[in-house]
Amino acid sequence: SAVISQKPSRDICQRGTSLTIQCQVDSQVTMMFWYRQQPGQSLTLIATANQGSEATYESGFVIDKFPISRPNLTFSTLTVSNMSPEDSSIYLCSVERGDRETQYFGPGTRLLVL
Amino acid sequence: SQQGEEDPQALSIQEGENATMNCSYKTSINNLQWYRQNSGRGLVHLILIRSNEREKHSGRLRVTLDTSKKSSSLLITASRAADTASYFCATEETSGSRLTFGEGTQLTVNP
Repeated sequence: SAVISQKPSRDICQRGTSLTIQCQVDSQVTMMFWYRQQPGQSLTLIATANQGSEATYESGFVIDKFPISRPNLTFSTLTVSNMSPEDSSIYLCSVERGDRETQYFGPGTRLLVL
Repeated sequence: SQQGEEDPQALSIQEGENATMNCSYKTSINNLQWYRQNSGRGLVHLILIRSNEREKHSGRLRVTLDTSKKSSSLLITASRAADTASYFCATEETSGSRLTFGEGTQLTVNP
């Protein structure tokens, strides 16, 4: 498995502001992923964070709204920009390890936008 | 079209009973995975079954996969109150590493 931490664990933000979420892994990984889980919903993939290249975004998600950094093989950030109440969600990072099949998830960041 | 639909959406059982959750998907997959989530926290990986496997066991968990019907089931035997959580299936499509999650089943095990 992998030990994954996220900061902050939760935050309450005002609309129009931005929040950067950090994801730290205990060892080097190739693939890191960012997901959003809206209240009472399942997980939706936002983007795949690749080290040394731009993130790959899923349909419906754009870099201007969700810029991602991946400066090294153990760390990534996701910024939620110009937030609105609709951005209130849990944001989770995940990584692939070992067999490159299983994804391991961080504890999530619970965001509430007022 | 939605990948990874699950039923039931909610399931309430008594401790000691078995719980069965089903997942259907639409595309070709490399594998199907089941995860558990407690109260909106991070997901815990439970079990992975590859497309060439039909059944897999892990402790009290039994997973089946029927690629002809594009469906999977998760059976939890002798359930405990601590099994109360949301359970999600996720499929890895043959096109790449991305996982597509089902809508989840909320399982409540009453003591």
